[in-house]
Amino acid sequence: EADIYQTPRYLVIGTGKKITLECSQTMGHDKMYWYQQDPGMELHLIHYSYGVNSTEKGDLSSESTVSRIRTEHFPLTLESARPSHTSQYLCASSGIGHSEAFFGQGTRLTVV
Amino acid sequence: GDSVTQMEGPVTLSEEAFLTINCTYTATGYPSLFWYVQYPGEGLQLLLKATKADDKGSNKGFEATYRKETTSFHLEKGSVQVSDSAVYFCALSDRGSYIPTFGRGTSLIVHP
Repeated sequence: EADIYQTPRYLVIGTGKKITLECSQTMGHDKMYWYQQDPGMELHLIHYSYGVNSTEKGDLSSESTVSRIRTEHFPLTLESARPSHTSQYLCASSGIGHSEAFFGQGTRLTVV
Repeated sequence: GDSVTQMEGPVTLSEEAFLTINCTYTATGYPSLFWYVQYPGEGLQLLLKATKADDKGSNKGFEATYRKETTSFHLEKGSVQVSDSAVYFCALSDRGSYIPTFGRGTSLIVHP
């Protein structure tokens, strides 16, 4: 069982609202990632972190921001949600070297 | 940069049929290779992995062999079940960034 958790699982929110998607892991992994998954299933890397106080933007331009104040916590924030942000968001972490990634169950966000 | 190419789906099979999902990769270094599976409404979970040339990863009847000469990591299963219906992702993690790079995913549908 992977020890990485995302909340909420589902969220419906109005346009213009600020939202934070939570992601926590208990494995002590330094590397953490946020992916956006489109309806065609493809995964797009939007943010990643190599450790505390390290955050980088990924391949897909995103209006979201992330923070990494603690090793176990990697929240993603949208300051002003728009319908174009409607998607599935997946959080993942990995250990040393090029070990496998562990994924949370995802947050399905709908902006109306 | 690194990339992963896998066959487009959906792949539709009858129960007990043989499965092959092709995957090829491009990497600047010497990557580790992975297959992940995603069931509806869930995050990805590791199915199998291989870390060096000629390694064979296996799990739950699925197998894949790391072929450096053809830069391939094809997924196979001798007899699929309805419960194998899911989306399968080929991925690599290369030395340097260690950020997982995913293929676009292949949907597998198995009919009774």
